[in-house]
Amino acid sequence: DTGVSQNPRHKITKRGQNVTFRCDPISEHNRLYWYRQTLGQGPEFLTYFQNEAQLEKSRLLSDRFSAERPKGSFSTLEIQRTEQGDSAMYLCASKSSGIHLGEQFFGPGTRLTVL
Amino acid sequence: SQQGEEDPQALSIQEGENATMNCSYKTSINNLQWYRQNSGRGLVHLILIRSNEREKHSGRLRVTLDTSKKSSSLLITASRAADTASYFCATARPGNAGNMLTFGGGTRLMVKP
Repeated sequence: DTGVSQNPRHKITKRGQNVTFRCDPISEHNRLYWYRQTLGQGPEFLTYFQNEAQLEKSRLLSDRFSAERPKGSFSTLEIQRTEQGDSAMYLCASKSSGIHLGEQFFGPGTRLTVL
Repeated sequence: SQQGEEDPQALSIQEGENATMNCSYKTSINNLQWYRQNSGRGLVHLILIRSNEREKHSGRLRVTLDTSKKSSSLLITASRAADTASYFCATARPGNAGNMLTFGGGTRLMVKP
């Protein structure tokens, strides 16, 4: 399977704990996106990378959130001192920048529950 | 914040009927895309329509775009039970070098066998 993969698929944590999610994009895609989706809503953009450079961050990405893509391949999203409001599905998507218009390929998501 | 709204929020039809979903958005766009999401899973791209296009077809899907009204519609013809899913429109703004998408709230479609 050469699609976008995300791990873990589910994460349950207690308020105040730190969590880290991983996304492995399609190998030839140099753009990687993180979105957050709460129940019954559409995804909301968090941040994106072109290769290893983080080029844009949403105001939704508070200082408790940090994302990295150290070698321009996989990416991690860390949430520090989790809050109940962080409970959501975290979606990763990738895209080739060589195709100016085009679809983003989404992973299955990581569902975070903060107790 | 979400770019647009979708209408209806939920739709229930019988297999074989057509399903129409509408999307409205607020700002100028470069293109508009429709995605499908099965329960609790990732999104799958269905179709993209550019801002200078008015209609596009792909299999049983027909998308229209009216930039003067800032609206789009997705028509699924001859629906099947497997079409049961949530459908989202997503827009990319002009000059948006990153091509990040702004999604609507979605339409939850149920197709009864």
